[in-house]
Amino acid sequence: ETGVTQTPRHLVMGMTNKKSLKCEQHLGHNAMYWYKQSAKKPLELMFVYNFKEQTENNSVPSRFSPECPNSSHLFLHLHTLQPEDSALYLCASSQYRDISYEQYFGPGTRLTVT
Amino acid sequence: AQSVTQPDIHITVSEGASLELRCNYSYGATPYLFWYVQSPGQGLQLLLKYFSGDTLVQGIKGFEAEFKRSQSSFNLRKPSVHWSDAAEYFCAVGASNDYKLSFGAGTTVTVRA
Repeated sequence: ETGVTQTPRHLVMGMTNKKSLKCEQHLGHNAMYWYKQSAKKPLELMFVYNFKEQTENNSVPSRFSPECPNSSHLFLHLHTLQPEDSALYLCASSQYRDISYEQYFGPGTRLTVT
Repeated sequence: AQSVTQPDIHITVSEGASLELRCNYSYGATPYLFWYVQSPGQGLQLLLKYFSGDTLVQGIKGFEAEFKRSQSSFNLRKPSVHWSDAAEYFCAVGASNDYKLSFGAGTTVTVRA
């Protein structure tokens, strides 16, 4: 595997389910990001981890819970979601948490909440 | 805080024709500007970026963009589009003392034969 991978690619879940999204980067980067992409809206930054430490929680509801066990892996745990949480969830990584370092994006997980 | 506006939601262009996508930003200081492309089923890929220096920036896949401070714009251009350029394009702005990117809502490009 190369670059940034995300699993699953598609997920359908009910509002009472618990599921997790997984992101893995094979680039040796130290910063990882979760974004939410809704149709025709700007990407929303949700969480940022720098050297495994969470440095940003952009007012995200507690039904989204991130986890970063090491610099290569990032999870987004989901529980009791709402239909408006349906979106494409993108993971990204960069060498360092700095604007001058390119963010590399994974293909995303398409989440549908029923 | 910085923000980005992409005025065109959808553009249709013929293969071989030129393409220009508009991007206007709002930021008080010198911005860091980016264009990303997202092909169907893919994540975002960086096309080009502007930090400083020459205001005409060359990127991958034959794209270029020009930074115009007086117009607060960073428009993306390609002289001759290929069918593979059909995708969604995002402009983003950042600040030198921060790591966050503010994205526009995107422009969808359709290429007709």
